[in-house]
Amino acid sequence: GAVVSQHPSRVICKSGTSVKIECRSLDFQATTMFWYRQFPKQSLMLMATSNEGSKATYEQGVEKDKFLINHASLTLSTLTVTSAHPEDSSFYICSADRGYGYTFGSGTRLTVV
Amino acid sequence: AQSVTQPDIHITVSEGASLELRCNYSYGATPYLFWYVQSPGQGLQLLLKYFSGDTLVQGIKGFEAEFKRSQSSFNLRKPSVHWSDAAEYFCPPDKLIFGTGTRLQVFP
Repeated sequence: GAVVSQHPSRVICKSGTSVKIECRSLDFQATTMFWYRQFPKQSLMLMATSNEGSKATYEQGVEKDKFLINHASLTLSTLTVTSAHPEDSSFYICSADRGYGYTFGSGTRLTVV
Repeated sequence: AQSVTQPDIHITVSEGASLELRCNYSYGATPYLFWYVQSPGQGLQLLLKYFSGDTLVQGIKGFEAEFKRSQSSFNLRKPSVHWSDAAEYFCPPDKLIFGTGTRLQVFP
């Protein structure tokens, strides 16, 4: 139980285009989800906290107009990387709080060419 | 402020050897402590957690961790490491903040 499905697992896009990443909680409701970014050989960096039905809370230094987060239902949060550039290439991971620990998605490898 | 330190950035062990990954914390109150594992290119998986009660916590994949308040530690242990245990291990102080982690390499 308590599975978080993240899609797609890999995506390659052209510079200047937008990419949407989905994070779904499959068997539980998640009023809060979290989005992380991980650079190669680095730790996870929390980007934003996604709250169902309200605006996301972004961490300092994260451009909210570039990384659009939508949490329209209790089981789905999306991260859209707008006008992607090569420096946005990274591994993005979402997680949801089950109330006693976190469940993470399997991550999305974004490559911007 | 809550803080956690994983002193070892990189550890190498032989398959079958015992393992201990260190995690030191600085807290005012009893902390919530977690250990996560991340395999290359994968998301994180919760190994075990400590909220209160028995200070020796059993987790998945044969891992355990012991909360020692006197030493401000929550070290992760495994008696016999398997090659598949090679991964990055995180002991975050808070559910949202991850440090640099400890990278484990396992040699046959």
